[in-house]
Amino acid sequence: EVQLVESGGGLAQPGGSLRLSCAASGFTFSRYSMNWVRQAPGKGLEWVTYISSSSSSIHYADSVKGRFTTSRDNAKNSLYLQMNSLRAEDTAVYYCARDVPIRYWGQGTQVTVSS
Amino acid sequence: QSVLTQPPSVSAAPGQKVTISCSGSSSNIGNNYVSWYHQLPGTAPKLLIYENNERPSGIPDRFSGSKSGTSATLGITGLQTGDEADYYCGTWDSSLSAVVFGGGTKLTVL
Repeated sequence: EVQLVESGGGLAQPGGSLRLSCAASGFTFSRYSMNWVRQAPGKGLEWVTYISSSSSSIHYADSVKGRFTTSRDNAKNSLYLQMNSLRAEDTAVYYCARDVPIRYWGQGTQVTVSS
Repeated sequence: QSVLTQPPSVSAAPGQKVTISCSGSSSNIGNNYVSWYHQLPGTAPKLLIYENNERPSGIPDRFSGSKSGTSATLGITGLQTGDEADYYCGTWDSSLSAVVFGGGTKLTVL
C-alpha cells in the first residue's frame, strides 16, 4: 500500500523558515516523480513544486519561486520542502503527492505563518 | 484564478445523475491526461479518475470520466448523500511546466 506521511509543519513567524518532510513507503520511491501541493483555509488546491525521480528536473509555482526549495533523498525514501522567507499567505495544509498527474496524496501537515 | 475552469457548485437529488465540467487549453487538457479528485472536509484529496477515464480499484462505476479536446467531464450516477464533497480536476500544463487544478466544484445532494 502506498503511504505518504508528511511532518514538520507548525507555527512560524513572517520571514521565518520551516522544513517539511514526507516519508514514502509501499512503492519504489526512486522511480516516481513527486510534488508538494497546498491548500489555504477555505480555498482550493494549489500546486507548489515538482521534482523528478532523479532530481534532474525541478519546477516551482511563481508564488514560491526563490523562497522554497524541494529536494529528495532516494536512499531514505524521503521528500523535503525547505520554506524560507515565509509569508502569511503561505498558511495552508501542505500535501506530499506522487506522480503527474497526481495519483496518491499524503494526509497533509498544517503550516501557519503568523506573528 | 485557476488555469482550469470548473463550475463553483452543482446540485442534484439522491439517485440522480450529475456532471462536472473542467475546461482548459491545448497546453494542459488538450495534450495531457486528466485526473479527478474528491475531498471531504478536513481530509486529503482522493483520486477518483486517472488517465481521463480510468477508475482506481475501489472506486465504484457510478463515477466516470471523459475528455474531448480541451475539456473534461466527471459524471456521477445514482447520487448518494455521501457523495457530497468538493471535486477537483487536475493535469499537467506543458507550457507552464506545472501541475494545474480547477478551482473546485462543491457537490450538494439535495
